[in-house]
Amino acid sequence: AQSVTQPDIHITVSEGASLELRCNYSYGATPYLFWYVQSPGQGLQLLLKYFSGDTLVQGIKGFEAEFKRSQSSFNLRKPSVHWSDAAEYFCAVVPNRDDKIIFGKGTRLHILP
Amino acid sequence: SQTIHQWPATLVQPVGSPLSLECTVEGTSNPNLYWYRQAAGRGLQLLFYSVGIGQISSEVPQNLSASRPQDRQFILSSKKLLLSDSGFYLCAWSGWDRGHEQYFGPGTRLTVT
Repeated sequence: AQSVTQPDIHITVSEGASLELRCNYSYGATPYLFWYVQSPGQGLQLLLKYFSGDTLVQGIKGFEAEFKRSQSSFNLRKPSVHWSDAAEYFCAVVPNRDDKIIFGKGTRLHILP
Repeated sequence: SQTIHQWPATLVQPVGSPLSLECTVEGTSNPNLYWYRQAAGRGLQLLFYSVGIGQISSEVPQNLSASRPQDRQFILSSKKLLLSDSGFYLCAWSGWDRGHEQYFGPGTRLTVT
């Protein structure tokens, strides 16, 4: 079955530290890939997306993600986190052009002062 | 620019009562529309999607129904709520010219008592 895996349910980092959130998917020769962020009690906001081209994509709020086809991964990174980055992060994949989007179960990010 | 609205923001309803949640999109035409439910720790569950007026696809058999009476209006309903219907309901839209990326509303917190 098609799946998107975010192996870390919770991650805690100190403010100012670097961050990497992992995302792996199980299918799709040319997937469309997304990262969303959700603050408590709010809707999801699109951080960045990958359709084709350069495998390192830049997003909003200083986030970036790298598509690695050989590893079926699309990890999200930020060099220095801020307390306002505390939220839940969702990876999402469209396996092929005519497929529906599939969301991972999310990673909740906690920031230590 | 495009905006998406949901109301109400919060709702507390007794078991067996009816439900109507509304979602409207502004600034775009003929969007694809989606209803998701988010239960704590369980990620996003796609409930319904619509590619046009009167066209509804159901992803999961359940106690809920959806309708699209106008191009940019999407309604989630139930005749009799169950305790298990409690959750955070999110509406989203995507455009034919935006690829597969979806844009989410602020959500409705439903508590069935």
